Amino acid sequence: DIQMTQSPSSVSASVGDRVTITCRASQGISSWLAWYQQKPGKAPKLLIYAASSLQSGVPSRFSGSGSGTDFTLTISSLQPEDFATYYCQQANSFAFGGGTKVEIK
Amino acid sequence: EVQLVQSGAEVKKPGESLKISCKGSGYSFTSYWIGWVRQMPGKGLEWMGIIYPGDSDTRYSPSFQGQVTISADKSISTAYLQWSSLKASDTAMYYCARTIAYYYMDVWGKGTTVTVSS
Repeated sequence: DIQMTQSPSSVSASVGDRVTITCRASQGISSWLAWYQQKPGKAPKLLIYAASSLQSGVPSRFSGSGSGTDFTLTISSLQPEDFATYYCQQANSFAFGGGTKVEIK
Repeated sequence: EVQLVQSGAEVKKPGESLKISCKGSGYSFTSYWIGWVRQMPGKGLEWMGIIYPGDSDTRYSPSFQGQVTISADKSISTAYLQWSSLKASDTAMYYCARTIAYYYMDVWGKGTTVTVSS
């Protein structure tokens, strides 16, 4: 099975910061990757699919890039409502990454 | 509005059986896969499996194969996740989600909390 390594596991940032989260696949997965945001006590929310396609209704400060084995989720200017945990998911074994918690600095 | 409504919280004893549900509305239920995701307390997301309600084609994660059964009743637009003999380690939040292109999940239910304790 393809393994997904997500980094960092946590990041402290301030409002307005640019935040980058990385997901690395143990084998190439083309562009079959999605990103989700989860806030405490809530269901996950789809942000990005097919590595770089923004889900309808998601603010444009979120963007995704990459293909093959290396993928990135970028929040261009962190907003108060963006403090949450972020997960990647690949389409080979459908497994999620371990998550990245974005915390207030 | 597209939505998935999950059944309520459950408290069970080890060895008991359980079936939780996920009812879809606002879209063609038989045309999209429904996936199930486990989240143990304080932990990350784990993909369990998916079902295509149109023909009940079902796929499981190797980690959950044989441990749970996923089913659907398309006549009432409802998917199910069931256990025949619960363990304490099944204590978790379980989410259902509409699944697109076989993997990404665009609409999620609010989750069903399952607590297994003697």
